[in-house]
Amino acid sequence: DIQMTQSPSSLSASVGDRVTITCRASQSISTYLNWYQQKPGKAPKLLIYAASSLQSGVPSRFSGSGSGTDFTLTISSLQPEDFATYYCQQSYSTPYSFGQGTKLEIK
Amino acid sequence: QVTLRESGPALVKPTQTLTLTCTFSGFSLSTSGMCVSWIRQPPGKALEWLARIDWDDDKYYSTSLKTRLTISRDTSKNQVVLTMTNMDPVDTATYYCARMKSSGWYVDYWGQGTLVTVSS
Repeated sequence: DIQMTQSPSSLSASVGDRVTITCRASQSISTYLNWYQQKPGKAPKLLIYAASSLQSGVPSRFSGSGSGTDFTLTISSLQPEDFATYYCQQSYSTPYSFGQGTKLEIK
Repeated sequence: QVTLRESGPALVKPTQTLTLTCTFSGFSLSTSGMCVSWIRQPPGKALEWLARIDWDDDKYYSTSLKTRLTISRDTSKNQVVLTMTNMDPVDTATYYCARMKSSGWYVDYWGQGTLVTVSS
């Protein structure tokens, strides 16, 4: 099974900051990497698919990059509504796996 | 408009079998490339993928849970059913059903989730 490791597990930042979250796969997954945002009590929401494709309706301040084993999610200028938990997910092969999550908190 | 909704018991006892139903609309599971997955999330913890069923009735399971899981579909009712046997308190979680497509296997639509508590 493929293991996904996110870092950091938590992050404090201010409105307007640029933030980067990293996800590493235990083996190459090409660009089969997706990012989700989850707010308390809500289902996750797809932000980025195929490592760098922005889901329709998602603000352009979100971007993704990477291939193989190392991936990043970048938020270019944090907005108040971006404070949430972020998960990466590999869809290269079943069983699919998620990272442990990165909780983004207000500094 | 794609929607998914989970239904099932909120409370099950240890050793019992859990049956969850996902009722969806806005797409057909008979359409090539369409899939439905079940994903769970224990309180305060990360997401865990459980199972997937495809348009052609292929099925895939979590390695650690595959002996306990069964996924099935009723295309005429637009429903997908997940059963999990021998429930344990560690299985307490919010269970989500979610749509995936074979064009990338990412979840583009999620249900609202249903909290299942395992307790005697």
